[in-house]
Amino acid sequence: KQEVTQIPAALSVPEGENLVLNCSFTDSAIYNLQWFRQDPGKGLTSLLLIQSSQREQTSGRLNASLDKSSGRSTLYIAASQPGDSATYLCAVKGSGAGGTSYGKLTFGQGTILTVHP
Amino acid sequence: NAGVTQTPKFRVLKTGQSMTLLCAQDMNHEYMYWYRQDPGMGLRLIHYSVGEGTTAKGEVPDGYNVSRLKKQNFLLGLESAAPSQTSVYFCASSYSNPYNEQFFGPGTRLTVL
Repeated sequence: KQEVTQIPAALSVPEGENLVLNCSFTDSAIYNLQWFRQDPGKGLTSLLLIQSSQREQTSGRLNASLDKSSGRSTLYIAASQPGDSATYLCAVKGSGAGGTSYGKLTFGQGTILTVHP
Repeated sequence: NAGVTQTPKFRVLKTGQSMTLLCAQDMNHEYMYWYRQDPGMGLRLIHYSVGEGTTAKGEVPDGYNVSRLKKQNFLLGLESAAPSQTSVYFCASSYSNPYNEQFFGPGTRLTVL
């Protein structure tokens, strides 16, 4: 059974810092990995999608990497801003025995990020 | 393009009452999903559909039923609500290609008293 773990559970940083959020998964048989942002009381906004064949994806100040063989992904946020404060979730879409083509996502518990001025 | 929409946004039920949550998407996606999000448990898949007229169980299907009579709509029903069903419910959709991303709706916050 696929399990996804995110470390740290919570992170508080001053504005302007570069930071890294970590995601690990137990089954490397995946189609892709998706990073989401969730603001309090809101839905999930997709930030980056990395296919299993890719090593990284970039969008603005965000860079996500994927090391499928070791079951790890990182989300790097450059020059953090108070507006980046949110919960960040990673989710993997399994392709092995625990996954199917219908696209079941397995989510981590999330990292709560606070960027203070 | 509204993306994925959900109604209602909030609802309070008494134990034993029934209700239906509606999810609609305008992206012509084949696949649709219902998840629930609970503190400490993350998001878990309740039911999903791979096309109009089809539904299947996810990880936590007990106490819920679903229907997909039209491609753009996916309904989640609670026949007899229980306090354990207090949660935030998210609908998502995607193309049938497993390499595509899932798009999520804004959620429905349900409280069962």
